[in-house]
Amino acid sequence: EADIYQTPRYLVIGTGKKITLECSQTMGHDKMYWYQQDPGMELHLIHYSYGVNSTEKGDLSSESTVSRIRTEHFPLTLESARPSHTSQYLCASSELGLAGVTDTQYFGPGTRLTVL
Amino acid sequence: SQKIEQNSEALNIQEGKTATLTCNYTNYSPAYLQWYRQDPGRGPVFLLLIRENEKEKRKERLKVTFDTTLKQSLFHITASQPADSATYLCALAPTGGFKTIFGAGTRLFVKA
Repeated sequence: EADIYQTPRYLVIGTGKKITLECSQTMGHDKMYWYQQDPGMELHLIHYSYGVNSTEKGDLSSESTVSRIRTEHFPLTLESARPSHTSQYLCASSELGLAGVTDTQYFGPGTRLTVL
Repeated sequence: SQKIEQNSEALNIQEGKTATLTCNYTNYSPAYLQWYRQDPGRGPVFLLLIRENEKEKRKERLKVTFDTTLKQSLFHITASQPADSATYLCALAPTGGFKTIFGAGTRLFVKA
């Protein structure tokens, strides 16, 4: 069973607030990801990391930032939330995907963010 | 540009029938292809992986085929059940690449 956790599961917050979405995994995976997904729509990669102190921007431009100080932890921060940030945020982790090892991704349950 | 196409229209089938979902891709040389299941409001869950040198993979009622000449993968669910209703995503890992690309998914409805 894959162990990847996200908190909070649901968050309703006012415009201008700073928020941090937490993501932790216990599988020792080097690679971690953040996706944004609106209902019925496709996944959009917004950030990923190859390991500690590595962060990369994904395909979808995002005003959020991430950090990777520990292997198991990959938090996402919005300095000033806006209604346009309302969405579901999914965290995932995988092996690096090198030397024939696949990068099957294990997803957390998601955080549903609503910015009023 | 690289592209993954899954049927955007929902697939409606009767319980007990075989559901077949399609994933087409262009401008990729995939090392392997994966299928995931996603339920509403939840994260995707990995189902099956098939490598470029494999033609077919099975797991219980699931079967995946991979045709690198046609640039297509088919995902079959035999003896479908209402509990199989979900969105199914295909995902490609390009050869030599470091980033898996997800398709938009196909919604499957199985009627009792």
